[in-house]
Order: sequence, then structure tokens, then C-alpha cells
Amino acid sequence: RKEVEQDPGPFNVPEGATVAFNCTYSNSASQSFFWYRQDCRKEPKLLMSVYSSGNEDGRFTAQLNRASQYISLLIRDSKLSDSATYLCVVNRPGGGGYQKVTFGTGTKLQVIP
Amino acid sequence: GAVVSQHPSWVICKSGTSVKIECRSLDFQATTMFWYRQFPKQSLMLMATSNEGSKATYEQGVEKDKFLINHASLTLSTLTVTSAHPEDSSFYICSARGQYNSPLHFGNGTRLTVT
Repeated sequence: RKEVEQDPGPFNVPEGATVAFNCTYSNSASQSFFWYRQDCRKEPKLLMSVYSSGNEDGRFTAQLNRASQYISLLIRDSKLSDSATYLCVVNRPGGGGYQKVTFGTGTKLQVIP
Repeated sequence: GAVVSQHPSWVICKSGTSVKIECRSLDFQATTMFWYRQFPKQSLMLMATSNEGSKATYEQGVEKDKFLINHASLTLSTLTVTSAHPEDSSFYICSARGQYNSPLHFGNGTRLTVT
């Protein structure tokens, strides 16, 4: 089983729709969580951190469920420009005082007119 | 926000030559830097993790003698692809992180083409 898992999609949604992605992680010692978006042939860019109490940034809401070990990303009122691959990232202790960073394989979102 | 500079952005080289890619954190001290490779339509693949002042930790299947990583300072890591071959053609991306639990910040990648 992979340490961090995401549904690869693609999720094809119409403009204006609400869409949600989940990302599960297997290591209960995981400490910090992030969502990134990656456009085709570009580097990933930080979308938002995920806080225990949940957090919102405009149309984007991120949540963490430690009991079930998953994080989620909700996008409201989808725009064409939201089309991208969304990557979840999980940090956990990796030994030697360092953290191990694990990426999910990404969920592809295509917003259609 | 934090800035990571990676260069060159693209490079074309002949088979058998070596290519060095630099990754710099411009406005923070990067205790850890990561190197990734991504083939078209595939996921990011972690190649190695580099902690400042210590040897890089390579992922399984990544040849450390072929992909030389140096992280000599808190703001600079380099990846050298030695004796490059066409199958090494890929998109190489670095990322850097400062404090524990802080997010990663990515360089804008290097597109390597080996002819």
C-alpha cells in the first residue's frame, strides 16, 4: 500500500460545479499536510496548507481528518482555470531529526465549459 | 512568498556529456532540498533527498553515481547528470524547505533533452 494515495481521476466537471478530492495517508505519525496544484509541464505550486481545524481560502476549503487519516480539498464554483493536477503532500518524522515528505500521485481535474 | 530559483530552465546536450542543474533558495535557508524527475503524463518521482552538510539519500532505483547531488550550503544544491543518455531526457525539478513542517517550495524545473 502506498503511503499517500489519491484517486488519479480525471474528474471532469462543468464550470460552476463543486468538486472534492480526498487524499489518504497510512502513517499515523504524519504531522503536516499541504495541497499543491501542478499545471501541465510546470512545477507544482503550493495551493494551501491544511490545518487541523480546517481552513478556507476563497473558493478552496481544506480539511484534515486525523481519525480516518485523510485530507480533503473542496473547490466551489469551479473555473476553467482550475483545470490542473492537484497533489497532496504529507510530512512525517523520517529519522535523524529530518522529515520525510511524500507526494500523492495527483488528481487530475478538468473543468469544462 | 519563498522563492526557489532553478537553472538552467532547459538544456540540450549530447549523449555522454554531463549536465549540472542548480537549485537556490533565495530568501530562506533550506535545510532540506529534494530532487524530482517527471516524465510526460507521469507523476513526480522523488530521486533523492538532500540535507545540508550531509550525503544525499537516494530513492531505490536511482543511481547515485549517475546523479550526483551536492548540498554544500543552506541555499544551494546541485544535481549533476553524468554521462547523460537519451533516456535521461526528462523534466527535473528541485524543491526546498526551511523549517520543520513548513511547505516545500519548488524551482521552476529544468527540461533536459539528451540527443
